[in-house]
Amino acid sequence: TQLLEQSPQFLSIQEGENLTVYCNSSSVFSSLQWYRQEPGEGPVLLVTVVTGGEVKKLKRLTFQFGDARKDSSLHITAAQTGDTGLYLCAGVRNTGFQKLVFGTGTRLLVSP
Amino acid sequence: GAGVSQSPSNKVTEKGKDVELRCDPISGHTALYWYRQSLGQGLEFLIYFQGNSAPDKSGLPSDRFSAERTGGSVSTLTIQRTQQEDSAVYLCASSLFGPKNTGELFFGEGSRLTVL
Repeated sequence: TQLLEQSPQFLSIQEGENLTVYCNSSSVFSSLQWYRQEPGEGPVLLVTVVTGGEVKKLKRLTFQFGDARKDSSLHITAAQTGDTGLYLCAGVRNTGFQKLVFGTGTRLLVSP
Repeated sequence: GAGVSQSPSNKVTEKGKDVELRCDPISGHTALYWYRQSLGQGLEFLIYFQGNSAPDKSGLPSDRFSAERTGGSVSTLTIQRTQQEDSAVYLCASSLFGPKNTGELFFGEGSRLTVL
């Protein structure tokens, strides 16, 4: 059972465009992380959001945690070719589970 | 090294053979995870080690899969009698804290397993 659904699954855009990736669940998470993975490498953490409604900015990337802590979004402004990669959200459940649950992933391709 | 090290980076094996994948976490990290990733998709949780606690094995897909962590450091994931559906990238990650402490996971580059 996949607890975290990401959309879209694949996104191909031109450099300079804006985009939003969504991470949704019916479960409540105590915190949520976003990772980016490039081919042949492991995922690398971009941000952790903890508080419902929290918004964090990392240069051109804006991350938001839903008020109910069930969903999150990643918005990229003026995408660059270097943003290409697989974006993964990952949630920590507050039910005592110790494992980080990863989303289905969004593959982003930014063309020049 | 400074990061998580995994070996082998690539493994091709025949159906029915056993394979061992090794993970050397970042020194001092008490939490260690194994995930499986198929065709560049999301990560499937396999097993989690935290200090001296009993591991969380709830993600292991069958009894052909097992893992151990010796001395709280190096971990080995063993797949017995491999099947074609076991083909995937196996990722290891370590963390200074458990996930309840929102610890960042540091991933290795993965071991790509191909079962012919």
